[in-house]
Amino acid sequence: DSGVTQTPKHLITATGQRVTLRCSPRSGDLSVYWYQQSLDQGLQFLIQYYNGEERAKGNILERFSAQQFPDLHSELNLSSLELGDSALYFCASSENTGGRETQYFGPGTRLLVL
Amino acid sequence: GESVGLHLPTLSVQEGDNSIINCAYSNSASDYFIWYKQESGKGPQFIIDIRSNMDKRQGQRVTVLLNKTVKHLSLQIAATQPGDSAVYFCAEGSNYKLTFGKGTLLTVNP
Repeated sequence: DSGVTQTPKHLITATGQRVTLRCSPRSGDLSVYWYQQSLDQGLQFLIQYYNGEERAKGNILERFSAQQFPDLHSELNLSSLELGDSALYFCASSENTGGRETQYFGPGTRLLVL
Repeated sequence: GESVGLHLPTLSVQEGDNSIINCAYSNSASDYFIWYKQESGKGPQFIIDIRSNMDKRQGQRVTVLLNKTVKHLSLQIAATQPGDSAVYFCAEGSNYKLTFGKGTLLTVNP
């Protein structure tokens, strides 16, 4: 158990809908990262928040947004869902920020868009 | 640009043998490297890391070797067990993010 929690574990929805994925980082970690994992793309970095502020952006679509709250939990919002958005979405956390820290991953949310 | 790649997408070994999983990276500015293990249906799990001021680091049954000259990273697993069957990712760290390779599937045969 990494200490990172994610809810829900599974999510099934229809095209055009909007969903919210939730992540709670390890106790004491200030950074939260979101990743998308699909079979043909591997693990793709989406976005990072550090202590409530956006820190880095990766390949995140404009239909997707995220935020980190004062208690440091984070939410990833996916809107106008398409079939291709079906994937595993992982949250990771680290103590501080930067690419030289270990990131600890949650169990993921499996999203299926029908 | 940056890229992290794996030489072999799949690796099959006999239980009890040693496993070696390889990874190439192209960003010479990367100075932090991590190996993760991902079992089916689970999130990536940290195994071991190494910084660029080292060329070898050992953990429990695992050793990571870093060759900066040829930009190569390897993970050695001693006495491979069925529970080691998983996808193994290397990742390189520089500046603000980690960049992941696509992974190698390790299968351990009894």
